[in-house]
Amino acid sequence: IAGITQAPTSQILAAGRRMTLRCTQDMRHNAMYWYRQDLGLGLRLIHYSNTAGTTGKGEVPDGYSVSRANTDDFPLTLASAVPSQTSVYFCASQIRPGLGVEQFFGPGTRLTVL
Amino acid sequence: GDSVTQMEGPVTLSEEAFLTINCTYTATGYPSLFWYVQYPGEGLQLLLKATKADDKGSNKGFEATYRKETTSFHLEKGSVQVSDSAVYFCALSSSGGYNKLIFGAGTRLAVHP
Repeated sequence: IAGITQAPTSQILAAGRRMTLRCTQDMRHNAMYWYRQDLGLGLRLIHYSNTAGTTGKGEVPDGYSVSRANTDDFPLTLASAVPSQTSVYFCASQIRPGLGVEQFFGPGTRLTVL
Repeated sequence: GDSVTQMEGPVTLSEEAFLTINCTYTATGYPSLFWYVQYPGEGLQLLLKATKADDKGSNKGFEATYRKETTSFHLEKGSVQVSDSAVYFCALSSSGGYNKLIFGAGTRLAVHP
């Protein structure tokens, strides 16, 4: 693989269920990010990780958790899904956190919570 | 806090028309500015960037100039093609935002033959 992969591509989930969205990158990038994309709001940062073993909260972290056990993987977990978490989720990576440094995006996961 | 405002879409143009998508920002310090493009069904990809005042980013015929005096980073292209149809996002990263990207709402561009 080359770049960032996300799984699943799409998912329909019942409210109250637990769900983990997977993200893997093979570029050995230090920083990784999770965004959600909602119409009219652009992309909003959920959580981030500047390096393996560390994570931080973004703009809209409530209801989500992340872990960064190694460089390549950055899963996003919804402990108990709610309909307002219906969105398209994008994972991104960056060779290092910093001004002017490009972020690379995965293809996205479309999640519908009913 | 830091923010990005870009013109609402959709923008509909005929092929070979001139394109401008306005973007203004609010940020502490000296942010870096970006334009990302999202083609249908895909993730975002970097189109161009500028890291200091008066820099011009350019790529694929698109260009944008970092104007600190007007806090703007407008995207332009002299002659659009059908293949340019996509959603365009203006974004910034600043030290005040802990180097994270702050995105505008996105502008959808549709180019017709």
